[in-house]
Amino acid sequence: AQSVTQLGSHVSVSEGALVLLRCNYSSSVPPYLFWYVQYPNQGLQLLLKYTTGATLVKGINGFEAEFKKSETSFHLTKPSAHMSDAAEYFCASTQGGSEKLVFGKGTKLTVNP
Amino acid sequence: NAGVTQTPKFQVLKTGQSMTLQCAQDMNHNSMYWYRQDPGMGLRLIYYSASEGTTDKGEVPNGYNVSRLNKREFSLRLESAAPSQTSVYFCASSEAGHFTDTQYFGPGTRLTVL
Repeated sequence: AQSVTQLGSHVSVSEGALVLLRCNYSSSVPPYLFWYVQYPNQGLQLLLKYTTGATLVKGINGFEAEFKKSETSFHLTKPSAHMSDAAEYFCASTQGGSEKLVFGKGTKLTVNP
Repeated sequence: NAGVTQTPKFQVLKTGQSMTLQCAQDMNHNSMYWYRQDPGMGLRLIYYSASEGTTDKGEVPNGYNVSRLNKREFSLRLESAAPSQTSVYFCASSEAGHFTDTQYFGPGTRLTVL
């Protein structure tokens, strides 16, 4: 069965610092991969997704993620954190077709002034 | 364009009581989903409806029932609430019946069962 592991339930960075949120997946076939963001007291919204093709995916708000098949990873990065990036981030994966979307447990990002 | 709306926003129930969570979308999407979110657990799929007239179980369906009332509306019913069902419930929709599609989420219903 596929699974998604997010390393670190809490990550804290200073404003202007690099943001790196880690996600590893297990899948028997090339997966479709997603990053969703949840701001306090809101639903989730899509940041970016990887389907096929280019392995570096750019999303909203300056975030990007790189699909690395050899490392089974899809880490999320942003060069310079902003206070408004404080939120919980979820990585998700599906093997496609009728395979359900599986979410990681989430990483809460805190941005310090 | 309201997107995905959920009612109520908050609810407190006593053990054994029943209630229905309502969800509606105005994006003409074919597929709709119900998730629950618990601390440290991420989101877990309860039920989904790939298209109007169909429903299927997800990862944690026990204790829940669903109804796809029409293309816009997908309700979740708790027949006899239990404290283990204390959670935040999210409804989502997507354009087609594929889990590879982007899902659009509602603001959630925070449910407490005493």
